[in-house]
Amino acid sequence: GAVVSQHPSRVICKSGTSVKIECRSLDFQATTMFWYRQFPKQSLMLMATSNEGSKATYEQGVEKDKFLINHASLTLSTLTVTSAHPEDSSFYICSARDWRRLAGTYNEQFFGPGTRLTVL
Amino acid sequence: AQSVTQLDSHVSVSEGTPVLLRCNYSSSYSPSLFWYVQHPNKGLQLLLKYTSAATLVKGINGFEAEFKKSETSFHLTKPSAHMSDAAEYFCVVSEAPEGSQGNLIFGKGTKLSVKP
Repeated sequence: GAVVSQHPSRVICKSGTSVKIECRSLDFQATTMFWYRQFPKQSLMLMATSNEGSKATYEQGVEKDKFLINHASLTLSTLTVTSAHPEDSSFYICSARDWRRLAGTYNEQFFGPGTRLTVL
Repeated sequence: AQSVTQLDSHVSVSEGTPVLLRCNYSSSYSPSLFWYVQHPNKGLQLLLKYTSAATLVKGINGFEAEFKKSETSFHLTKPSAHMSDAAEYFCVVSEAPEGSQGNLIFGKGTKLSVKP
């Protein structure tokens, strides 16, 4: 159980276009989803936290108008990179938190396989 | 502020020999600590977690880690490496005051290579 999928797994687009990435929790309901960005040989950096039915909370330095996040249902969150530029090329990873597993002071997140975005 | 440092970017071992992946953390609160593994083209998988219970934590696939507060360390070990252990490993701390749910702070990762 607790499987998270992402689509597409990789995408190549031209500079100036927009790209949508989907994150789905396949066998559980995710009240919260997280979007991370990972540059080559670097760590995962949290971009934003997405709660179902409400606006996403963005980390400092992340442009909310450029990285549009929608979490319209308990099993789907989308990240849209608007007017993509080469510097947006990265590995985008989502994760989901299962409300049934909230316990104590820790939260277990289940991660998707990631989406490799290349902007030409 | 919370942070985590993985001391080795790359570790190479021979199959059947012990594995040691080092991690040090800093935290203003009682930390929750995790180790995740990332295989190529797959999502991150939780290996084990420490949440203020037993300091020696056993995880999946024979991995274990020991929380040492005096050394602010949470090193990952395995007695005998297997070829399938080759992957990227992330040490993670949760920035969470007692009783709350915090975000995850990732280390830069350690790539484990296993030689036949």
